[in-house]
Amino acid sequence: AQTVTQSQPEMSVQEAETVTLSCTYDTSENNYYLFWYKQPPSRQMILVIRQEAYKQQNATENRFSVNFQKAAKSFSLKISDSQLGDTAMYFCAFMKLQDDKIIFGKGTRLHILP
Amino acid sequence: GAGVSQSPSNKVTEKGKDVELRCDPISGHTALYWYRQSLGQGLEFLIYFQGNSAPDKSGLPSDRFSAERTGGSVSTLTIQRTQQEDSAVYLCASSPWTAGGYQETQYFGPGTRLLVL
Repeated sequence: AQTVTQSQPEMSVQEAETVTLSCTYDTSENNYYLFWYKQPPSRQMILVIRQEAYKQQNATENRFSVNFQKAAKSFSLKISDSQLGDTAMYFCAFMKLQDDKIIFGKGTRLHILP
Repeated sequence: GAGVSQSPSNKVTEKGKDVELRCDPISGHTALYWYRQSLGQGLEFLIYFQGNSAPDKSGLPSDRFSAERTGGSVSTLTIQRTQQEDSAVYLCASSPWTAGGYQETQYFGPGTRLLVL
């Protein structure tokens, strides 16, 4: 069975700093998707970034980028020039290709301090 | 609207009562999911609908939980004889099915916060 582990329950950084959220996963699959979702206090789950495992190039989305290490089964999220609006719970998630379920980590609560 | 909508946004009920939670997926999305998020926890998969196929109910925690999806669109999650441990945020998500037969990214609704007293 696939598992997703986020080892940092909570983090705080100053505004404008760069922060990296860790995620590791366990799978025997070769083809899959990885996601980072953001859940602000409003509760709405928002897709931040997505990575296809067959792509070697790390996905980027404006200030958000990932460091995808397939052999190490690591998928960290880097937030550059952090903003107060980045304060949220961040979930790392895994989905097998052609599968139905997303497996979520327990989340990292990120606080951006003014 | 363009996104997934859920109603009610908040629901307070007494232990033992039945509740119904509604989800309106994004138009055209064939897949629909229900998740439960307990306080401070990650998301727990409950049930999945894909088109006209039989739903995957493997995540439902007990037979008090059921869900249906009418006409391949709106879904209702029903919890019978609610218990205090059912208190959580219930999230719905939908996703399209690509021409290649792959499940696409899931888009989440705002959730229903259920409090069982």
